[in-house]
Amino acid sequence: EVQLVESGGGLVQPGGSLRLSCAASGFIFSNYWMSWVRQAPGKGLEWVANIKEDGSEKYYVDSVKGRFTISRDNSKNSLYLQMNSLRAEDTAVYYCARSTVTNIPYWGQGTLVTVSS
Amino acid sequence: QTVVTQEPSLTVSPGGTVTLTCASGTGAVTSDYYANWFQQKPGQAPRALIYSTSKRHSWTPARFSGSLLGGKAALTLSGVQPDDEAEYYCLLYYGGAPVFGGGTKLTVL
Repeated sequence: EVQLVESGGGLVQPGGSLRLSCAASGFIFSNYWMSWVRQAPGKGLEWVANIKEDGSEKYYVDSVKGRFTISRDNSKNSLYLQMNSLRAEDTAVYYCARSTVTNIPYWGQGTLVTVSS
Repeated sequence: QTVVTQEPSLTVSPGGTVTLTCASGTGAVTSDYYANWFQQKPGQAPRALIYSTSKRHSWTPARFSGSLLGGKAALTLSGVQPDDEAEYYCLLYYGGAPVFGGGTKLTVL
């Protein structure tokens, strides 16, 4: 069974940093693209970033380019999202997801990030 | 950023059929956009239903079907059940960067 468990969310001040983690199990982690998707309170879904199986390709939504960095450690079956220069509009539930280049079939339960002073 | 547009809300009667659509701000949606559909209920993570326009995941009930309709991606629910009441999101791929639609709140009444 595919399992994705996010951690690292919490309250952070504007301009601060946070690192999200996603522990994957139930599949061969190094064989799959992985993604982060977020959802602001009461709002819709927004794709944030994705990373190729070996980490050689990474893509970001324009609003986080230069501030967020997606990475992975295939030896630890883990996905990460380093978030710097956080803004109020980054407040959201962040979902880790197993993906391909054309779909996102498996999702974690999400971790809440709140950016507020 | 490219805008993907869905109906904000739709209402359907139990046992009925309803079609949700997903339009691209860049023009007609084709199979090259690999349309995905997701269902999300309050307090839950999204659940994938459809990928590559019309393919069901192994867990997707047969009453959910995807297609292209009039230049848009479409999700049709047949024999709607009360449990289908949820928010539905489409996702289109633009050269590797996916964009979600704003979501359709489906009410079963």
